[in-house]
Amino acid sequence: DAKTTQPPSMDCAEGRAANLPCNHSTISGNEYVYWYRQIHSQGPQYIIHGLKNNETNEMASLIITEDRKSSTLILPHATLRDTAVYYCIVRVGRDSGAGSYQLTFGKGTKLSVIP
Amino acid sequence: ETGVTQTPRHLVMGMTNKKSLKCEQHLGHNAMYWYKQSAKKPLELMFVYSLEERVENNSVPSRFSPECPNSSHLFLHLHTLQPEDSALYLCASSQVWGRANTGELFFGEGSRLTVL
Repeated sequence: DAKTTQPPSMDCAEGRAANLPCNHSTISGNEYVYWYRQIHSQGPQYIIHGLKNNETNEMASLIITEDRKSSTLILPHATLRDTAVYYCIVRVGRDSGAGSYQLTFGKGTKLSVIP
Repeated sequence: ETGVTQTPRHLVMGMTNKKSLKCEQHLGHNAMYWYKQSAKKPLELMFVYSLEERVENNSVPSRFSPECPNSSHLFLHLHTLQPEDSALYLCASSQVWGRANTGELFFGEGSRLTVL
């Protein structure tokens, strides 16, 4: 699986959009971009994933550049409960037919939402 | 509530004890995982069971012994652990479509283990 690079920490004012960047310049054509977050002392929570089109769900939006070498997770209106470590992961997805179960978590970005 | 329940939430044990961590998923998934999270380190995948067969074992010491009696339950049996094994142990489940793992994991709250 391709490696990712994320800033170690970011701050965001409550109510503003939080934009979390991720670089994945070695991503392969069949690898998806996944985002998870981990609130302190809890298990990680799946947020969103995508291949090449932008994606949106009730939690966030995922913007993937045309060359797929980077992406941005957007939390449109950050709240204090969004304070967490956010992980960007690239790996083969369900359509690949591959058998890999490895989901490799890096150090992520610690997002602090400030009142 | 994620649909994945881990017990106990906290466990303190001596190096000579034998204990077990339990995980139960209520999501109808067919793959289950154990991850380890040590202080200030990324999550490390330990074991994967898919369709009740162990499919990955990431060089985990034999003092950790997994057991998957059915697709809803996963255990991690612990014996003669070391203080450096103190960590948060996380269980997760996912759905496997054909031979492909979806990548969408549902995690439990974790079991915080302290080895004295």
